Amino acid sequence: DAKTTQPPSMDCAEGRAANLPCNHSTISGNEYVYWYRQIHSQGPQYIIHGLKNNETNEMASLIITEDRKSSTLILPHATLRDTAVYYCIYTGANSKLTFGKGITLSVRP
Amino acid sequence: DVKVTQSSRYLVKRTGEKVFLECVQDMDHENMFWYRQDPGLGLRLIYFSYDVKMKEKGDIPEGYSVSREKKERFSLILESASTNQTSMYLCASTSGQIYNSPLHFGNGTRLTVT
Repeated sequence: DAKTTQPPSMDCAEGRAANLPCNHSTISGNEYVYWYRQIHSQGPQYIIHGLKNNETNEMASLIITEDRKSSTLILPHATLRDTAVYYCIYTGANSKLTFGKGITLSVRP
Repeated sequence: DVKVTQSSRYLVKRTGEKVFLECVQDMDHENMFWYRQDPGLGLRLIYFSYDVKMKEKGDIPEGYSVSREKKERFSLILESASTNQTSMYLCASTSGQIYNSPLHFGNGTRLTVT
């Protein structure tokens, strides 16, 4: 099964950048890293994904290390609405798309 | 806008009942997934399907079965509901290029088995 490792929780101040780490040391060359977030009582929402290069969209930036064994999701200016559980996953060899427990981000005023 | 619709937001069933959870997507996606979510355990994959009439076991298939008779619909079946199947159930879909295509989730069905 494709497994990622994330710290259980972190917090940041509103307006500051939130940097969420993820380890995926068993990722293979053709597997993408994905980030999703889940706000209480809703289904997870796609944020961003990447293969090798850093990626940016209107929601966030994704920084992938050169060896691809870890990545960081950056929310450049966190708001209270960014308080959520964030999941980092990658596609496994059998495409099971296994999620872990995620990281709970708390944005404080 | 893409849409994954789960037929019920809340469901209460009795132990031993046969339960059907329905999921419909309007994006012509090949792949569909069923997860359950429990506090402290994250999302765990129950079953997935990559085509009509095809199914694959996920990490926790015991006590569940699935049906995919049409491309847009993926049903999760609890043959004989038990209290340990009380959970939030989430359906998701993605297009054929699974490596490079994000999952789209429904808003979940919160099932309580009494």
